[in-house]
Amino acid sequence: QVQLMESGGGVVQPGGSLRLSCAASGFTFSDYAIHWVRQAPGKGPEWVAVIHSDGNTKYYSDSVKGRFTISRDNSKNTLYLQMNSLRAEDTAVYYCAKDLTGSYTVDYWGQGTLVTVSS
Amino acid sequence: QSALTQPRSVSGSPGQSVTISCTGTSSDVGYYNYVSWYQQHPGKAPKLMIYDVSKWPSGVPDRFSGSKSGKTASLTISGLQAEDEADYYCCSYGGSHIWLFGGGTKLTVL
Repeated sequence: QVQLMESGGGVVQPGGSLRLSCAASGFTFSDYAIHWVRQAPGKGPEWVAVIHSDGNTKYYSDSVKGRFTISRDNSKNTLYLQMNSLRAEDTAVYYCAKDLTGSYTVDYWGQGTLVTVSS
Repeated sequence: QSALTQPRSVSGSPGQSVTISCTGTSSDVGYYNYVSWYQQHPGKAPKLMIYDVSKWPSGVPDRFSGSKSGKTASLTISGLQAEDEADYYCCSYGGSHIWLFGGGTKLTVL
């Protein structure tokens, strides 16, 4: 079955950096676009970024553009999110989510990793 | 683009039906038939319940149904069960590789 497992979250000071990982299994990772979606405490989800299957096409939300970088290693079935210049408003649970082919949506989500930006 | 608008809470008794609305704009919900709905229990990851406005992923009971009229999409849950109590979020493709989510609706089964 599809499994996505995020890691790398933690507490970081404003202005700091963090790198999240998402290990995928149960499907052919290299065939699918993968998204990062975050959810601040008590709030609805917010789409962050998407990377296409070949790793060359990437899109970002305006709120993270220029600060976050999405990447993937298809040989390791792993997705990454490099987060720089972190702000308090980046505090959230970060999920990776698999794209549903043929539709503009995501179907499977990981369990998430918590990122807290605080001094 | 702004987040989609959902009621903060809805409630219903077991066996009844409830409907959750999701209002967007003519650039997202009103333009694309790419509205999806997610169920989220506390501390858990969201689960896809409806996609492309009214399609069911494998394993989702047909008690859950979706529809859309203009800029408003709706999720209807019929034959309410205790395990349906959760938060529900809508999501719409907004064009230009942007996805928008609603703020969430808490469903209480009385």
